[in-house]
Amino acid sequence: GAGVSQSPSNKVTEKGKDVELRCDPISGHTALYWYRQSLGQGLEFLIYFQGNSAPDKSGLPSDRFSAERTGGSVSTLTIQRTQQEDSAVYLCASSLKPGSNQPQHFGDGTRLSIL
Amino acid sequence: ILNVEQSPQSLHVQEGDSTNFTCSFPSSNFYALHWYRWETAKSPEALFVMTLNGDEKKKGRISATLNTKEGYSYLYIKGSQPEDSATYLCAFNAGGTSYGKLTFGQGTILTVHP
Repeated sequence: GAGVSQSPSNKVTEKGKDVELRCDPISGHTALYWYRQSLGQGLEFLIYFQGNSAPDKSGLPSDRFSAERTGGSVSTLTIQRTQQEDSAVYLCASSLKPGSNQPQHFGDGTRLSIL
Repeated sequence: ILNVEQSPQSLHVQEGDSTNFTCSFPSSNFYALHWYRWETAKSPEALFVMTLNGDEKKKGRISATLNTKEGYSYLYIKGSQPEDSATYLCAFNAGGTSYGKLTFGQGTILTVHP
């Protein structure tokens, strides 16, 4: 079956612009996660959606970052007034059920470059 | 701040060698430990999710062990092949209010030379 799909695969934008990154999880997966990997850094947790519960936003680095998940499926990560330090690979993952003992299935990521 | 450390940072082995690397994590508030393989130009792939102290898991030539009391997990690869070349990531979850949230180590970059 189809895996986690992310778009765009690459995005280059100017500092100060807003960007939207999209994630289509695996059908039927109730949990969805966003991570980012900045140059030379490890994978950093951003936000976690679990079913209809309030998302865990504890990893969002600033109020310029927001995410939503519509209809329990597709998710959009929005970065407003982008800064150069936002340049990173943004990865989305989903799991069948919420829970830390569930393997996460990752998309190929969006490589974001802020000029 | 949770500290998840992986060692070594990188490793070069010859085809056919067996190898292992380490993931260290906080021994308190343990809930789960994940291992992922991330090949260049691909997405991270789940290898194992481990939850019980003393757990051992195996997938083909790759196996992992878990010691939650002392806070470490080992990943072993037997008879390494060039296609095993990848970054191997471990990720820790503390449960409780961190339910679902993984803290990743920096990864071990494995290169297997033919």
